[in-house]
Amino acid sequence: EAQVTQNPRYLITVTGKKLTVTCSQNMNHEYMSWYRQDPGLGLRQIYYSMNVEVTDKGDVPEGYKVSRKEKRNFPLILESPSPNQTSLYFCASSFKGAGGLGDTQYFGPGTRLTVL
Amino acid sequence: AQTVTQSQPEMSVQEAETVTLSCTYDTSESDYYLFWYKQPPSRQMILVIRQEAYKQQNATENRFSVNFQKAAKSFSLKISDSQLGDAAMYFCAYKITGTYKYIFGTGTRLKVLA
Repeated sequence: EAQVTQNPRYLITVTGKKLTVTCSQNMNHEYMSWYRQDPGLGLRQIYYSMNVEVTDKGDVPEGYKVSRKEKRNFPLILESPSPNQTSLYFCASSFKGAGGLGDTQYFGPGTRLTVL
Repeated sequence: AQTVTQSQPEMSVQEAETVTLSCTYDTSESDYYLFWYKQPPSRQMILVIRQEAYKQQNATENRFSVNFQKAAKSFSLKISDSQLGDAAMYFCAYKITGTYKYIFGTGTRLKVLA
């Protein structure tokens, strides 16, 4: 089944304790992205990756890191989480290409993160 | 700066009736994509419909259709014959062709009344 998976789905942690949220897709998509969703703000792009070893900042990259060493994986790293990073996080992927469903993102199930 | 505005935080519709959700966007680009995503209580983001800006014909997917007015920068979603399963948060989104930057609106929560 074609899908984007995220782990963990729920995480409660404390300020300053490094954490990683994993994201994996099995559709051979070149493009992957991370978003955070906050009430009243919609989804905001954190980082995105155009392909292996190619990443760039979105609108709200502060406090986050990413890496893309393999095409299928795009982990989100919070080196020193703070309470303002409490949010719902989504990973998404799509293939490059015009026509068809190119540029249409497929989303993972979301990760609910609480930083105390 | 590109922005997407959904001016209706919440809407209600009677089952089997029709409802229209509004979305406007601001851009100076001429080539882009527009999307509507549905987020039910499960939180999963589900693509509802997709429109390419260069296509004048409005996209349709079964009971879902859009009214794309490029000059007015408007992209409204019409849901016909509303069903209880349509109750969800709906997000409008925009993407410039050739970039990987997506801009989402703040969402409209749709309630379907039995």
